[in-house]
Amino acid sequence: TQLLEQSPQFLSIQEGENLTVYCNSSSVFSSLQWYRQEPGEGPVLLVTVVTGGEVKKLKRLTFQFGDARKDSSLHITAAQPGDTGLYLCAGFYGNNRLAFGKGNQVVVIP
Amino acid sequence: GAVVSQHPSRVICKSGTSVKIECRSLDFQATTMFWYRQFPKQSLMLMATSNEGSKATYEQGVEKDKFLINHASLTLSTLTVTSAHPEDSSFYICSARKGRGTDTQYFGPGTRLTVL
Repeated sequence: TQLLEQSPQFLSIQEGENLTVYCNSSSVFSSLQWYRQEPGEGPVLLVTVVTGGEVKKLKRLTFQFGDARKDSSLHITAAQPGDTGLYLCAGFYGNNRLAFGKGNQVVVIP
Repeated sequence: GAVVSQHPSRVICKSGTSVKIECRSLDFQATTMFWYRQFPKQSLMLMATSNEGSKATYEQGVEKDKFLINHASLTLSTLTVTSAHPEDSSFYICSARKGRGTDTQYFGPGTRLTVL
């Protein structure tokens, strides 16, 4: 059972455009995390959202946690080629283990 | 920052042999380390949770006799894939956690295992 569903699985956009990807679940999470993973490397933590409705910004990246703490979104403003990567959301479940979604593969074309 | 290393980064082995992967926390002591497996275009799947000085806790469906985990110190955990088969070919990633609960996990760079 996939606890976290990410959509779209793949997204290709032109440099300078905006994009939003989503992470959804039927379960309530105490917190959700977003990671970025480059090919052949481990994931790197971008942000942790804890409070329902919380919005966090990291330069051109905006993360939002749903009011019911079941979903989250990542919005990238004026995307750059350096934003290309696999964006993974993850949530803690039973005994503090992390469950990951399949990821949103983002490609920004120069 | 907290740095986690893995060795080797890539390994190719013959079917039936065993392969050991090391995970080290370089600048902090990790009470808990985690081992994940990632197949192409799939998410990271937790294989086991390793606490220093105690037996690892394996996720459902992961064979503990095939994937041997040793966490002998607060900075080193090892995963040994025994009697490897081609279907064990995957990207293996470890993470290390300083404290407990939902403290941040710091991920290693991963090990690409190819079994011929």
